[in-house]
Amino acid sequence: GAGVSQTPSNKVTEKGKYVELRCDPISGHTALYWYRQSLGQGPEFLIYFQGTGAADDSGLPNDRFFAVRPEGSVSTLKIQRTERGDSAVYLCASSSMGGPGEQFFGPGTRLTVL
Amino acid sequence: DQQVKQNSPSLSVQEGRISILNCDYTNSMFDYFLWYKKYPAEGPTFLISISSIKDKNEDGRFTVFLNKSAKHLSLHIVPSQPGDSAVYFCAANGGSNYKLTFGKGTLLTVNP
Repeated sequence: GAGVSQTPSNKVTEKGKYVELRCDPISGHTALYWYRQSLGQGPEFLIYFQGTGAADDSGLPNDRFFAVRPEGSVSTLKIQRTERGDSAVYLCASSSMGGPGEQFFGPGTRLTVL
Repeated sequence: DQQVKQNSPSLSVQEGRISILNCDYTNSMFDYFLWYKKYPAEGPTFLISISSIKDKNEDGRFTVFLNKSAKHLSLHIVPSQPGDSAVYFCAANGGSNYKLTFGKGTLLTVNP
């Protein structure tokens, strides 16, 4: 079966621009997570969805970051007024339910802000 | 404040020998621990996990040991194979906390 997919795989943008990153979770998975991985670091939590609602967005660094999951499946991470410090790999993961346990990761989107 | 620490950035072992990757944590609320493997340009792939009610979990060549009193876990790979060469991340979550907290990773190189 298909795993978690993310598009685009790479995104290069200029400082100040708006970007959208898409995640397609494993079919039937109700829980969806976004993480960000900077160079030399492990993934860091950004936001968690259970169904359509954001159950925890405490990891979003500031109000330039926003994510939606309108139909409880595909999710979009939106970054406004991008800054060079936003450059990182953005990872999406899903699991069959929330709570402790294994999460399945997509390949990530590498965002580069020039 | 790093709650999950992997103090060895890299490890090199010979094919056929044992690889031991270590991880320490500080948050007493963590009760579920996972190891992920990551190849370049790919997302992390789940390898093995352990609940805090156990002290050992084994899956083929991979065994994870948990020492709760020391807040320490380790991943043993035996025998190591060149295809095991990757970055290994230790991660944890606990209670109703679904978000994974990751260490910085250890780059394992298995030499033929």
